[in-house]
Amino acid sequence: EIVLTQSPTTIAASPGEKVTITCRASSSVSYMYWYQQKPGASPKPWIYDTSKLASGVPNRFSGSGSGTSYSLTINTMETEDAATYYCQQWSSTPLTFGSGTKLEIK
Amino acid sequence: QVTLKESGPGILQPSQTLSLTCTFSGFSLSTYGMGVGWIRQPSGKGLEWLANIWWDDDKYYNPSLKNRLTISKDTSNNQAFLKITNVDTADTATYYCARMGYYGSPYFDYWGQGVMVTVSS
Repeated sequence: EIVLTQSPTTIAASPGEKVTITCRASSSVSYMYWYQQKPGASPKPWIYDTSKLASGVPNRFSGSGSGTSYSLTINTMETEDAATYYCQQWSSTPLTFGSGTKLEIK
Repeated sequence: QVTLKESGPGILQPSQTLSLTCTFSGFSLSTYGMGVGWIRQPSGKGLEWLANIWWDDDKYYNPSLKNRLTISKDTSNNQAFLKITNVDTADTATYYCARMGYYGSPYFDYWGQGVMVTVSS
């Protein structure tokens, strides 16, 4: 099983600040996928195929990485970005999720 | 418009079998490349993938629960199903079904609202 380790577990950022969330895989994966989840809501697809933004995702978000190291970056933090972000892989079965990064507004 | 909605028993007792139904619209599970997956999330915790079923009836399971899971589909009625046998309190969670494969990539692009399941004696 490929284990995805996200860091940090929690981060607080001020509006306008740049934020980077990292997802490290225990073995190499071809692509990484990211979801955003707000309290009481279902996860939403956020970034697919490592760097493509899902429909409706603001272009202040970006994704990058390869092999075992991937990241999600917010260029300028906005209050609406406060949420928990999960990475996901399915280069190898079972499909696995990272444990999540909770992003808060400072 | 793609929608998915989960339904389940709400509460059940340890050792019983949990039966979940995902009723969807806006796509067909008979379409090449389409799949539906089940994911669960205990309250305040992370996401755990359970199983996927594909348009050709291919099935994938999380090995950590494989012996307890059965996924199936009814293409004509736009439904997917998940059964979990011998439940215990650790199976208490919100269960989601979600669509995969429309864009050819293995991620869930539409999710249901989730159904809460409590296992309690």
